Amino acid sequence: NAGVTQTPKFQVLKTGQSMTLQCAQDMNHNSMYWYRQDPGMGLRLIYYSASEGTTDKGEVPNGYNVSRLNKREFSLRLESAAPSQTSVYFCASSKGDAWADTQYFGPGTRLTVL
Amino acid sequence: ELKVEQNPLFLSMQEGKNYTIYCNYSTTSDRLYWYRQDPGKSLESLFVLLSNGAVKQEGRLMASLDTKARLSTLHITAAVHDLSATYFCAGLPGAQKLVFGQGTRLTINP
Repeated sequence: NAGVTQTPKFQVLKTGQSMTLQCAQDMNHNSMYWYRQDPGMGLRLIYYSASEGTTDKGEVPNGYNVSRLNKREFSLRLESAAPSQTSVYFCASSKGDAWADTQYFGPGTRLTVL
Repeated sequence: ELKVEQNPLFLSMQEGKNYTIYCNYSTTSDRLYWYRQDPGKSLESLFVLLSNGAVKQEGRLMASLDTKARLSTLHITAAVHDLSATYFCAGLPGAQKLVFGQGTRLTINP
């Protein structure tokens, strides 16, 4: 039981390049989330998916798109990376479709945009 | 809009001492979460506090919630080096998205 997995662990991009961050969970959870973590700012929600086939914007969605490919997988895409998107990205999942369930986090992707 | 503020943001303490991390939140929160993050690692859930007066304990960590004061505390008893980490609290306003505090970086020195 791997929990929540993310790939890649590290990535360096040049401004304007695109990439997709992958996330998968094997806990049969309904809800999945993408956060970014910046120094001194805690975690901020980018997008979330309360169930397969649905996605909604969080606090900081600009510059990102997401796809809930199936119940297990939730990807985050940067279409044209900017230095302001340098951050650590965490994927999380929770059992139900409500916010009240405890979220379980993946190991994170450290992204640097030059 | 819920705002969550932790203090202190940085805390350096000696092994064996007691200390408290404070988490203040600005509006009603249905519940309050505490997470731990080791350097370069992910977040691990520690406690979920569901109601006023809730207290939960795990080893040397004890969390409490006072909804009237809009305050949660994480108390560390007789600190040991292994507790060095960054601790986050997060509130849940009206079953909407989690709102995280800035985190408290705790360093415990031998």
